[in-house]
Amino acid sequence: GQQLNQSPQSMFIQEGEDVSMNCTSSSIFNTWLWYKQDPGEGPVLLIALYKAGELTSNGRLTAQFGITRKDSFLNISASIPSDVGIYFCAGSNFGNEKLTFGTGTRL
Amino acid sequence: NAGVTQTPKFRVLKTGQSMTLLCAQDMNHEYMYWYRQDPGMGLRLIHYSVGEGTTAKGEVPDGYNVSRLKKQNFLLGLESAAPSQTSVYFCASSYWISGNTIYFGEGSWLTVV
Repeated sequence: GQQLNQSPQSMFIQEGEDVSMNCTSSSIFNTWLWYKQDPGEGPVLLIALYKAGELTSNGRLTAQFGITRKDSFLNISASIPSDVGIYFCAGSNFGNEKLTFGTGTRL
Repeated sequence: NAGVTQTPKFRVLKTGQSMTLLCAQDMNHEYMYWYRQDPGMGLRLIHYSVGEGTTAKGEVPDGYNVSRLKKQNFLLGLESAAPSQTSVYFCASSYWISGNTIYFGEGSWLTVV
């Protein structure tokens, strides 16, 4: 099955630093989603993107829907300890019940 | 993760044993899903259901069966467990298509020895 490629796979940062991660696909999606998973928990939705080029913020998080519709980016500004976790991107298309998940970025 | 409950949370099985994971949601969602999560693989869809009485195969359905006899419940069965099925299993539900309304359970850790 298709998997989305996320990079970096993991990263160590200092509190207060900004974080950037991205997700790429070989096929296009018309919805991009970003989830965060805390240890021992299920993924929780952070941001949803529905339009190519769209830039959406949720507090210190900003995500962008790539113009090619084959990629998406997530930025976290001024990181804090509770940002630790695994971040997953996911793509879907309208009328398709399935999400395709990325391999995750461990922060 | 309020609204989607998985049981059991942890289980150790011997190869060849069978078991059932139960997922229950109280949000009146039509769609329900079972995913497995393995290191470095992200989440992969096993089976899903678009409504009571319906099921469909996902990416990795082999070795699993599912049933959706009631709208609020989605059961995942392993008829003859294999070590390759050692994983963390997540149930999820949503109103319509996958996307911004999808909610995940807390996960079930299964080890097959």
